Amino acid sequence: AQSVAQPEDQVNVAEGNPLTVKCTYSVSGNPYLFWYVQYPNRGLQFLLKYITGDNLVKGSYGFEAEFNKSQTSFHLKKPSALVSDSALYFCAVSQGGKLIFGQGTELSVKP
Amino acid sequence: DGGITQSPKYLFRKEGQNVTLSCEQNLNHDAMYWYRQDPGQGLRLIYYSQIVNDFQKGDIAEGYSVSREKKESFPLTVTSAQKNPTAFYLCASQSQGTNQPQHFGDGTRLSIL
Repeated sequence: AQSVAQPEDQVNVAEGNPLTVKCTYSVSGNPYLFWYVQYPNRGLQFLLKYITGDNLVKGSYGFEAEFNKSQTSFHLKKPSALVSDSALYFCAVSQGGKLIFGQGTELSVKP
Repeated sequence: DGGITQSPKYLFRKEGQNVTLSCEQNLNHDAMYWYRQDPGQGLRLIYYSQIVNDFQKGDIAEGYSVSREKKESFPLTVTSAQKNPTAFYLCASQSQGTNQPQHFGDGTRLSIL
């Protein structure tokens, strides 16, 4: 069965520092991978996806993600964190038209 | 503006009562989904529909029902059989193709009176 794991419940970063939110996956075949962000009491917003091609994917709001097939990882990154990046982040993998989500990582960026 | 509208934003259910959550999209998407979100558990799939007049159970369908009579609408009924309905419910839609992102509404928060 396909699955997604986000090993950190919470990540704390100082404003201006680089951030990484980790995601590992287990799939059969080639994965379609996604990152979403959720602000309090709102729906999920799509950030970026990996389908095929370049291992470094660029997305919205300056975020990027690195696909690593050998490590089965798809970590979300940003070179310089903003306080407004504080939110809940979800990694997901597509399976037969459905998305399987990780449990989410709470990102806190302090001034 | 194209998007997904969920209503109401907040909903309260009495014991033994069925309640219906609305989800409407004007994105012309074929597929629609209902998720339940509980703290620390991510999103769990309740029901999904890839075409009008057809839908499939997700991972936690017990105590819920849906209909898909129109492309733009996918209402979710939380029945009295759902013993723990307190949660944040999210609706999503997706255009054709499993490599397309899902688009989400802003959710309905359901609580028990």
